[in-house]
Amino acid sequence: QVQLVQSGAEVKKPGASVKVSCKASGYTFTGYLMHWVRQAPGQGLEWMGWINPNSGGTNYAQKFQGRVTMTRDTSVSTVYMELSSLRSDDTAVYYCARDSSNWGTYDYWGQGTLVTVSS
Amino acid sequence: QSALTQPASVSGSPGQSITISCTGTSSDVGYYNYVSWYQQHPGKAPKLMIFDVSDRPSGVSNRFSGSKSGNTASLTISGLQAEDEADYYCCSYTRTSTYVFGTGTKVTVL
Repeated sequence: QVQLVQSGAEVKKPGASVKVSCKASGYTFTGYLMHWVRQAPGQGLEWMGWINPNSGGTNYAQKFQGRVTMTRDTSVSTVYMELSSLRSDDTAVYYCARDSSNWGTYDYWGQGTLVTVSS
Repeated sequence: QSALTQPASVSGSPGQSITISCTGTSSDVGYYNYVSWYQQHPGKAPKLMIFDVSDRPSGVSNRFSGSKSGNTASLTISGLQAEDEADYYCCSYTRTSTYVFGTGTKVTVL
């Protein structure tokens, strides 16, 4: 069965960086785009970008350009999302989500990783 | 890219039908048939309910249906049940090859 298992909660200081992992299992890792979506406390969903696990190609939302880096390690079927220059408004739950269609059909989601930015 | 516009809340009694709207522009909802809908219960990850405007994944109740007219997509829940109480989000592909979510709608079963 398809599973996306994310790394645990993080607490970071403003200006620091955070790297969240998402380990995939139960399907061909290189066959599907992986997206990252975040949700601030009490707020809605926000699309951050995607990575192609096969080629390593990425596409980021303009809002995060220059601050976000998505990478993958095919040997362990894992994608990573690193966000730098953290601010308090980056406090959110970060989700990875598999795209089954290459057109934004998020059929499987990770359990979410809470990143708290606080001094 | 501005978020798609959804009503903040919609409510209905058990057994009734409700419709949630999702309004975008001619550069997203109105341009492509790549609109999806997600259900999210408190503290849980979102769940795919509808994709490509009106297709339903296997395992999702046929009480959920989707449609689109112009720049507005809609999700209809018929035969409302207590378990349908949740937040719902639409999502669309855009002409800049990015994605945008809706503002979210809280569904309350009275």
